[in-house]
Amino acid sequence: DIQMTQSPSSLSASVGDRVTITCRASQTTSCLNWYQQKPGKAPNVLIYSASTLHGDVPSRFSGSGSGTDFTLTISDLQPEDFAIYYCQQSHSFPITFGQGTRLEIK
Amino acid sequence: EVQLVESGGGLVQPGGSLRLSCAASGFTFSNYWMSWVRQAPGKGLEWVANIKEDGSKKFYADSVKGRLTVSRDNTNNSLSLQMNSLRAEDAAVYHCVRIRFGEILPHWYFDVWGRGTVVAVSS
Repeated sequence: DIQMTQSPSSLSASVGDRVTITCRASQTTSCLNWYQQKPGKAPNVLIYSASTLHGDVPSRFSGSGSGTDFTLTISDLQPEDFAIYYCQQSHSFPITFGQGTRLEIK
Repeated sequence: EVQLVESGGGLVQPGGSLRLSCAASGFTFSNYWMSWVRQAPGKGLEWVANIKEDGSKKFYADSVKGRLTVSRDNTNNSLSLQMNSLRAEDAAVYHCVRIRFGEILPHWYFDVWGRGTVVAVSS
């Protein structure tokens, strides 16, 4: 199984800040996706295939990485960005998610 | 509007059974792989199962293999999850999720999520 480890588990930031969340896979993965989840809501996909923005996701979100190391960067944080973020690999079964990173307002 | 609406959740005793359903609308259901993803209270996301467009292939998490069974009815645009021998650790919100393939095959991701249905397991 491919284990996904996110860091940090939580972080505090202010509106306008730039933040980076890291996701490390225990094995090489060719398909890495990022999701945002707000309290009481279902997750929404932000980025797929490591770096492709989904739909009308704002361009302040970006993803990068390959192999085992991936990052999600949010520039110019907006109030609606405070949420929990998950990475997920769909390279091989079983499909696995990171444990989540809680982004809170400082 | 693309929509997934789950139903069938509830309180069940350990060892009991439950059948979840998901009604799909706003897209051609038979063209998509589908999935169930669950989230225990206060916990992260856990993948449960995937099913191919025509139902001919199914994949399960080890934690549910042999107890949970995914199926679909393309005539009625519905996805189901038959849950048997339920355990306390199966308690979660169960989301019905559509799978979408990216531009680079075989990359895929979860692109549409239902709001979920709550399963509680307790005596």
